[in-house]
Amino acid sequence: KQEVTQIPAALSVPEGENLVLNCSFTDSAIYNLQWFRQDPGKGLTSLLLIQSSQREQTSGRLNASLDKSSGRSTLYIAASQPGDSATYLCAVRPNNNDMRFGAGTRLTVKP
Amino acid sequence: NAGVTQTPKFRILKIGQSMTLQCTQDMNHNYMYWYRQDPGMGLKLIYYSVGAGITDKGEVPNGYNVSRSTTEDFPLRLELAAPSQTSVYFCASWKQGFTGNTIYFGEGSWLTVV
Repeated sequence: KQEVTQIPAALSVPEGENLVLNCSFTDSAIYNLQWFRQDPGKGLTSLLLIQSSQREQTSGRLNASLDKSSGRSTLYIAASQPGDSATYLCAVRPNNNDMRFGAGTRLTVKP
Repeated sequence: NAGVTQTPKFRILKIGQSMTLQCTQDMNHNYMYWYRQDPGMGLKLIYYSVGAGITDKGEVPNGYNVSRSTTEDFPLRLELAAPSQTSVYFCASWKQGFTGNTIYFGEGSWLTVV
């Protein structure tokens, strides 16, 4: 059974700092891996999607990497801003029928 | 496009009551999903549908039912509500055909059973 773990559960950093969020999964047989942002009281917004054949994806200040063989992904946020404060969720798609989610990392960026 | 729309946003139910969470999408996606999210936990799949008339159980289906009579709508029915069903419910949709397609989520429905 695919299990997804995110470390740390919570992170607080000063504005301007670069940071890394970690995601690990137990089964390397995945179609893709996706990072989401969740704001309080809101749904999930897709940030980056990495297909199983890819190693990384970039969007603006965000860079996500994927190492299937070790079952790991990282989300790198450069020059963090208070507006980046949210919960970040990692999810893997093992098949068409489901996505398996981690519990998320709650990020606080202090001005 | 409105994307994925869920109603209601908030609801309080008494133990033993029943209700339906509505979900509709206007993107002509074939896959639709219902997830629940408990505090501090990841999302868990309740039911999913691969197209109109086809539904199947996910990881945590007990106490719920679904139907998919049209491509657009995927309601989730709670029968005999229990306190364990207090959670945030998310509907999502996805178009099969390309593994790079992203999944879209509704804004969630907060349900409290007292």
